[in-house]
Amino acid sequence: QKEVEQDPGPLSVPEGAIVSLNCTYSNSAFQYFMWYRQYSRKGPELLMYTYSSGNKEDGRFTAQVDKSSKYISLFIRDSQPSDSATYLCAMTRSSSNTGKLIFGQGTTLQVKP
Amino acid sequence: NAGVTQTPKFQVLKTGQSMTLQCAQDMNHNSMYWYRQDPGMGLRLIYYSASEGTTDKGEVPNGYNVSRLNKREFSLRLESAAPSQTSVYFCASSEDGRNTIYFGEGSWLTVV
Repeated sequence: QKEVEQDPGPLSVPEGAIVSLNCTYSNSAFQYFMWYRQYSRKGPELLMYTYSSGNKEDGRFTAQVDKSSKYISLFIRDSQPSDSATYLCAMTRSSSNTGKLIFGQGTTLQVKP
Repeated sequence: NAGVTQTPKFQVLKTGQSMTLQCAQDMNHNSMYWYRQDPGMGLRLIYYSASEGTTDKGEVPNGYNVSRLNKREFSLRLESAAPSQTSVYFCASSEDGRNTIYFGEGSWLTVV
């Protein structure tokens, strides 16, 4: 069983929809949680970063972490065609593990005009 | 400011051939990484370097060697390429104590 599970999709939504992307994990030691966005034939870029449980909002994006359920989510409001990309969740145990991240498989999102 | 630069972007190798993927960063980061990305597997860490002169194995190091040439450069070498090493390779770097890492554009490698 993988440490981090993510539904690969693809997920197709109409423009303006609310999108929910999710990951589950098995290692309760994970404390730092990230979402990366990856456009086709490009490297991943950091979208959201969260420490421990709770919510974090940045514009149209909201990241949620529920450590008791070992479940993290990324919500995209008013989705745009430019949001079409693969979204990867990632996590690690401590700040000393910088860069040694465990990634989910990635969810491919298509937002149709 | 170029960030993380990888070369080559595309490469086709025959089984048994060797090659080196080059990576350089201009952000003065101490830590550098090599990941591979395969369909359905996400990104997996091959090797990392916490500082100049040090390297450590990641999750999938078999078949690879690395060299941290200086603070800027971190290369990945395939000594005898195998079809299982067909993948997209990403170099990355990060600041000390920060979990935000910066990726290069990727190198597409096909071994036939």
